[in-house]
Amino acid sequence: GDSVTQMEGPVTLSEEAFLTINCTYTATGYPSLFWYVQYPGEGLQLLLKATKADDKGSNKGFEATYRKETTSFHLEKGSVQVSDSAVYFCALSGGSQGNLIFGKGTKLSVKP
Amino acid sequence: GAVVSQHPSWVICKSGTSVKIECRSLDFQATTMFWYRQFPKQSLMLMATSNEGSKATYEQGVEKDKFLINHASLTLSTLTVTSAHPEDSSFYICSARVRGGSTDTQYFGPGTRLTVL
Repeated sequence: GDSVTQMEGPVTLSEEAFLTINCTYTATGYPSLFWYVQYPGEGLQLLLKATKADDKGSNKGFEATYRKETTSFHLEKGSVQVSDSAVYFCALSGGSQGNLIFGKGTKLSVKP
Repeated sequence: GAVVSQHPSWVICKSGTSVKIECRSLDFQATTMFWYRQFPKQSLMLMATSNEGSKATYEQGVEKDKFLINHASLTLSTLTVTSAHPEDSSFYICSARVRGGSTDTQYFGPGTRLTVL
C-alpha cells in the first residue's frame, strides 16, 4: 500500500541555519502531498501542499517540490528560527477512505 | 481559518472504565471526520472514518465494539473507548474533511491524551 518515509529526528539546528527534512513516498496513482507541523501542545496544522508533479508548495519561508521522478517531497527553509521548533509530518492523500497517510514525523529543535 | 476542537485535551481513567472524546468543527460543517491514533515517536494511524448519519468504517485491526464512533451531526463526532485498558493509552487525534470544487482539505484537532491506569 501507499506509504511515506521521512528522515528520523531529532534534528537540532542553530538559528539561521538551512533546513532540509527528507520525505519520500510510495503510491499508486497521483496523490497530493502535504507537510504538516505540530507545535508543542497543539494540533497538526497544514504547512504547505502540492497537488501534482513539479508543483512547489510554499508557506512561511518553507518550500517543498513534488518530484515524481524521485518520489520525493523534501521540506526546506533557508534560515530557521527558534519559533520553527516543532514536529514536522510529511503526508500523502492515498488513503482508501480519503484519509491522509503520514510519515513518522521529524522533531526539529532550533537553538538561539 | 477552520477550527477543530477536541474535548477533553487529556484524561486519566481507571482500567475498565469508558471514556468519551468529542471532536467538533467550530465554524464549518464536515460530513466526514477521521479518527487517528498516535503512539510515541510513531506516525498517525487511521482508526476509523466517521460519516455523518451512517456507521463508521473501521480500519483492519481496530475493534469496532471497543472504539465506538458516533457522528450525530455535521459538526460533532465522538469516540468512546469502552472498557479501557492500559494498552489503550495513546494520543487520539481527529480531523474534519472539507470538500468543495477542487478543494479537499483536512483540519486537525489538537488531540486527546488518554492514560489508562
